[in-house]
Amino acid sequence: AQRVTQPEKLLSVFKGAPVELKCNYSYSGSPELFWYVQYSRQRLQLLLRHISRESIKGFTADLNKGETSFHLKKPFAQEEDSAMYYCALRVTGGGNKLTFGTGTQLKVEL
Amino acid sequence: DVKVTQSSRYLVKRTGEKVFLECVQDMDHENMFWYRQDPGLGLRLIYFSYDVKMKEKGDIPEGYSVSREKKERFSLILESASTNQTSMYLCASSPSSRGPGYTFGSGTRLTVV
Repeated sequence: AQRVTQPEKLLSVFKGAPVELKCNYSYSGSPELFWYVQYSRQRLQLLLRHISRESIKGFTADLNKGETSFHLKKPFAQEEDSAMYYCALRVTGGGNKLTFGTGTQLKVEL
Repeated sequence: DVKVTQSSRYLVKRTGEKVFLECVQDMDHENMFWYRQDPGLGLRLIYFSYDVKMKEKGDIPEGYSVSREKKERFSLILESASTNQTSMYLCASSPSSRGPGYTFGSGTRLTVV
């Protein structure tokens, strides 16, 4: 079965520092990867998906099939980036089911 | 602008009670999902539905059932609530096409005492 691993429960960085939230997956086929974000007291929302290859709020993520990773990166952290981030995987033939990781709490300190 | 609505934000129920969590979406989505969200465990899929009256078990269906009588409404039922079902429950919907992903509700925090 497919699995998503986010090794860090909490990541604390200073404002202006680079951010990298790690995500690894296990799946033998061709996956679709997503990052979702949940700000304090807000609902979970899509941040970006690998197919779009876009940058949202300064964040980017590249799918590395060789390393089975989809790390989320931002060159300069902002205070408003503090949130819970979830990596998610959708597999071929699985309908629209998403498998989520355990999440990483990002805290940006001043 | 709210597209996925969960009827209750907070619920407190007693052990053994039958509990209904309601979710309504107004986007005409075919797929609907129920997850529970627990610290350190992330989101785990309980049940999902890809059409009216259709349902599929997710990863942790034990102790739960669902009902989808109308396209816009997906109900999660705890047949006999237990303390280990205390959690945040999230409903989500998506179109049948493999589009951008889910739209989530704001969640229901259920406490079973």
